[in-house]
Amino acid sequence: KQEVTQIPAALSVPEGENLVLNCSFTDSAIYNLQWFRQDPGKGLTSLLLIQSSQREQTSGRLNASLDKSSGRSTLYIAASQPGDSATYLCAVKNAGGTSYGKLTFGQGTILTVHP
Amino acid sequence: EAQVTQNPRYLITVTGKKLTVTCSQNMNHEYMSWYRQDPGLGLRQIYYSMNVEVTDKGDVPEGYKVSRKEKRNFPLILESPSPNQTSLYFCASSSLGQGRDTQYFGPGTRLTVL
Repeated sequence: KQEVTQIPAALSVPEGENLVLNCSFTDSAIYNLQWFRQDPGKGLTSLLLIQSSQREQTSGRLNASLDKSSGRSTLYIAASQPGDSATYLCAVKNAGGTSYGKLTFGQGTILTVHP
Repeated sequence: EAQVTQNPRYLITVTGKKLTVTCSQNMNHEYMSWYRQDPGLGLRQIYYSMNVEVTDKGDVPEGYKVSRKEKRNFPLILESPSPNQTSLYFCASSSLGQGRDTQYFGPGTRLTVL
């Protein structure tokens, strides 16, 4: 059974810092990995999608990397801003066998960027 | 506007009273799924569907039913709700295929079962 772990569970940083969020998964037979942002009481917004054949994706100040063989992904946020404060979730989509298409989420990292 | 809609957004009901939460998407997506989100447990997939008339169980399917008779709709049915189904529910959809399967989420339905 796929398990996804995110570290740290919470992170508080001053504005302007560069930071890294970590996501690890136990079964490397994945189709893709996606990073989301969730604001309190709201739905999820997709940030970056990395296919299993890709190593990284970039969007603005965000860069996500994927090392499928070691079961790890990182989300790098450059020059953090208070508006980046939210919960960040990673999710993997299974590729193999009877669980093809199933999505498994990590528990999330709660990020607070203070002015 | 491309979106996933869920109704109702908030629902308070009593144990045993059948209910349906609707989910609809206007992006012609093949893939649709339901999740529940609980404090300390995160987001867990209930059911998913790869296309019309094709549904599969996620991690927590017990006590739920789904159907996919039309591509755009994927209702979640609770035949006999119980208090442990009190949760925040999300519907999501995506295309299938490399690079096109970004998940789009609905706004959520907060369900309370008394």
